[in-house]
Amino acid sequence: AQSVAQPEDQVNVAEGNPLTVKCTYSVSGNPYLFWYVQYPNRGLQFLLKYITGDNLVKGSYGFEAEFNKSQTSFHLKKPSALVSDSALYFCAVRLPGYSSASKIIFGSGTRLSIRP
Amino acid sequence: DAGITQSPRHKVTETGTPVTLRCHQTENHRYMYWYRQDPGHGLRLIHYSYGVKDTDKGEVSDGYSVSRSKTEDFLLTLESATSSQTSVYFCAISETGQYEKLFFGSGTQLSVL
Repeated sequence: AQSVAQPEDQVNVAEGNPLTVKCTYSVSGNPYLFWYVQYPNRGLQFLLKYITGDNLVKGSYGFEAEFNKSQTSFHLKKPSALVSDSALYFCAVRLPGYSSASKIIFGSGTRLSIRP
Repeated sequence: DAGITQSPRHKVTETGTPVTLRCHQTENHRYMYWYRQDPGHGLRLIHYSYGVKDTDKGEVSDGYSVSRSKTEDFLLTLESATSSQTSVYFCAISETGQYEKLFFGSGTQLSVL
């Protein structure tokens, strides 16, 4: 079955340290990959996407993600964490071969907590 | 949240009663979606619409129906609410159905007692 996994329910990082939120996927073909962030009592907000091209994608708020086809991963990274980065992060994959966003699968989410 | 309004923001209802959630957009986007968010499951697609009166089922459509009579409004109806439908419901929109990003509303917290 096609799926996307976020293996860590929670990630704790000290402010100023680098952070990584992990995402792996299992789909056939070349997927489109996304990261979204959710702040308390808000809807999800788009951070970045990978469609094709450079494996390192830069997005909003200083985040970037690295696409690794051989490891089927799309990890979210930031060189220096801020307390304001504390939120719930979702990885999502749009299945290839479909023209509709109905074929987007979301991971279960990772809660990122940045301590001062 | 990108010109998307969900109403109500919170609702408590009893098992067996009908419930309608509304999503209103001012972006004139063609595609609209209803998701539910549950701990450990991320977001799961309930129904989506690709135009006025054009809708289709998502991953978890049982017990839900939708209608879209105008571009800007997408209604989600629980015909007879059950406790398993207690969840946070999000509406999302996109300009096309391809690989661009989704814009989400702020959500509706629904509790079915």
